[in-house]
Amino acid sequence: AQSVAQPEDQVNVAEGNPLTVKCTYSVSGNPYLFWYVQYPNRGLQFLLKYITGDNLVKGSYGFEAEFNKSQTSFHLKKPSALVSDSALYFCAVRPDSNYQLIWGAGTKLIIKP
Amino acid sequence: NAGVTQTPKFQVLKTGQSMTLQCAQDMNHNSMYWYRQDPGMGLRLIYYSASEGTTDKGEVPNGYNVSRLNKREFSLRLESAAPSQTSVYFCAITRDSTNEKLFFGSGTQLSVL
Repeated sequence: AQSVAQPEDQVNVAEGNPLTVKCTYSVSGNPYLFWYVQYPNRGLQFLLKYITGDNLVKGSYGFEAEFNKSQTSFHLKKPSALVSDSALYFCAVRPDSNYQLIWGAGTKLIIKP
Repeated sequence: NAGVTQTPKFQVLKTGQSMTLQCAQDMNHNSMYWYRQDPGMGLRLIYYSASEGTTDKGEVPNGYNVSRLNKREFSLRLESAAPSQTSVYFCAITRDSTNEKLFFGSGTQLSVL
């Protein structure tokens, strides 16, 4: 079965430190990969996507993500965390066999001052 | 420019009651979706409408019905609410059914007692 895993329920980072939120997937073919962010009591917002090309993609708010085909991973990164980055982050994958997204369970990111 | 508007924001129902969640968009996008979000489970697709006049089941359609009233509006109906339908419901839209970038409403928090 196709699936997306976010292995950490919560990630704690000190402000100013680099952050990584992990995502791995089990999907056949060449999927499209996405990251979304959800702030408290809000809908999800698109951060970035990978379709093809350079393995490092840049998105909103200084975030970037690295695609690794051999490890089937798409980890979200930021060089220097801000307290305002604290939110719930979702990884999603769109198989090339259909258009419906498969979502990870989400990772709560907490940035401490 | 509101984007995606959901009503109501909060609702409490008794088991067996019915209600309709409304979603309207002003972005002239073709595809609309209803998701539910439960803790630790990410987002699960209930129903979607790839274009005006079409609707299709998603991953968890049982207990729900939908209507794509026109290009702007997509409603979700619970005919006989059950406690298992306690969740946060999100409407989302994309320009077309290739699903590359979702825009979300702010959600409806539903409790079924």
